[in-house]
Amino acid sequence: SQQGEEDPQALSIQEGENATMNCSYKTSINNLQWYRQNSGRGLVHLILIRSNEREKHSGRLRVTLDTSKKSSSLLITASRAADTASYFCATESYNQGGKLIFGQGTELSVKP
Amino acid sequence: GAGVSQSPSNKVTEKGKDVELRCDPISGHTALYWYRQSLGQGLEFLIYFQGNSAPDKSGLPSDRFSAERTGGSVSTLTIQRTQQEDSAVYLCASSLAGVDGYTFGSGTRLTVV
Repeated sequence: SQQGEEDPQALSIQEGENATMNCSYKTSINNLQWYRQNSGRGLVHLILIRSNEREKHSGRLRVTLDTSKKSSSLLITASRAADTASYFCATESYNQGGKLIFGQGTELSVKP
Repeated sequence: GAGVSQSPSNKVTEKGKDVELRCDPISGHTALYWYRQSLGQGLEFLIYFQGNSAPDKSGLPSDRFSAERTGGSVSTLTIQRTQQEDSAVYLCASSLAGVDGYTFGSGTRLTVV
């Protein structure tokens, strides 16, 4: 069953602009994770935010979590052409037997 | 090894044949996942192994799909009597339970003709 839903499905911006991607989910979670995928192959883990955290930073990445709205956002600041990729949120919860369930992803295109 | 290794990287098979996909997780990682991804889609959960516990097979789409993990390390996903709708990229990921995030392999692209 699908847990995370990303919005927008596709995003096109100019280099230097900020990119914001949103993720909504349905059940209570232990943590929410963001991953990046290039060329439809392996995913790379970007950041994990736990249910008792509200905001987390890693380099140019900023993730927020609002458990009351069951939503998260990923902000990439000062984007670069190399940030072009698909970005997925994934949730882990006891309700799901502890397994990691992914959303459909946001396809980000950063134009030089 | 340093990462999660999957083999083969590409597999073309005829409809009706059986295929085996292999995943070598990072040494010491107790959790191992198999996912399937169709073109332009998200990741579909297939099966989850955690330590010595019984695997969570709730995502396997039919009884043609099975997976095992020997000695808590290498895992094999077997698809019997392949169908064209089985064509997808099959991704494996492993994690040390309680530690941030999962490490993914590069996947096996399966094409059933």
